[in-house]
Amino acid sequence: NAGVTQTPKFRVLKTGQSMTLLCAQDMNHEYMYWYRQDPGMGLRLIHYSVGEGTTAKGEVPDGYNVSRLKKQNFLLGLESAAPSQTSVYFCASSNPWGQTAAYEQYFGPGTRLTVT
Amino acid sequence: GENVEQHPSTLSVQEGDSAVIKCTYSDSASNYFPWYKQELGKGPQLIIDIRSNVGEKKDQRIAVTLNKTAKHFSLHITETQPEDSAVYFCAASMNYGGATNKLIFGTGTLLAVQP
Repeated sequence: NAGVTQTPKFRVLKTGQSMTLLCAQDMNHEYMYWYRQDPGMGLRLIHYSVGEGTTAKGEVPDGYNVSRLKKQNFLLGLESAAPSQTSVYFCASSNPWGQTAAYEQYFGPGTRLTVT
Repeated sequence: GENVEQHPSTLSVQEGDSAVIKCTYSDSASNYFPWYKQELGKGPQLIIDIRSNVGEKKDQRIAVTLNKTAKHFSLHITETQPEDSAVYFCAASMNYGGATNKLIFGTGTLLAVQP
C-alpha cells in the first residue's frame, strides 16, 4: 500500500493564479483532512470530509475549496492564490471505527506551495 | 473552541538523557490526546496516544501522562537516541468515538538529541 500520496510535491504560483492539490489514499479510509503547516503555528485544519460527497469547514477555510467525488480522493483548490497561502499543505485520512488505533490520522508527505 | 499550548518550542538533550514536552488544553470536553512525530521533509506520524479515562500510557521508551484536573498532558522520552531528533506535536480532540475526530494541534517542539 502507498498510504496517503499528494500531488504535486512543490509548486510556485503567482498571486491570483489557481491550482488544485490532489490527495489520494488506498486504505479505504472514510475520513480525509487538509491541513496547512506554518512556522510556529503547528498544523491547522482547513477542510475535512467524513465520506464520499461530503465536505465541511475546519479552522481556516477561507480562500480554499474542496471536493470529495471519490472515496479515495480529496482535492484542495485555491481559486485565487494569495501570498498568505504560502505554506506546506498536508493531507490525512482516518477511519472512525474499529480497533483502538482507528482514530490515528495517516499523513501524506506534504506539498510545499509558494505564492509570489 | 479548543486551544492547545505546547512547551518548549525547542529542546536540546544529550544522547541517553530524558526529554519531556508539555501541553495544556482549554476545553475540558476534550477526551483524546495523540502525539505525532514529524521528521524533516515528511508528514507527521502518530507515536502514542491517550484517552481521558487513562492517566498514563507507555510504549517502550515513550510514555504519555494526562492530568485531567489541570488539563495538561506530557510526552516523556527516556534514553534518547539521535534518531529521536524531530519535531513533536501534541493534539487534542473532543470527538474521539464520535463523528469527526478533528484534532487541534500544538505549535510543535523541535527536539535535538546531541550524540
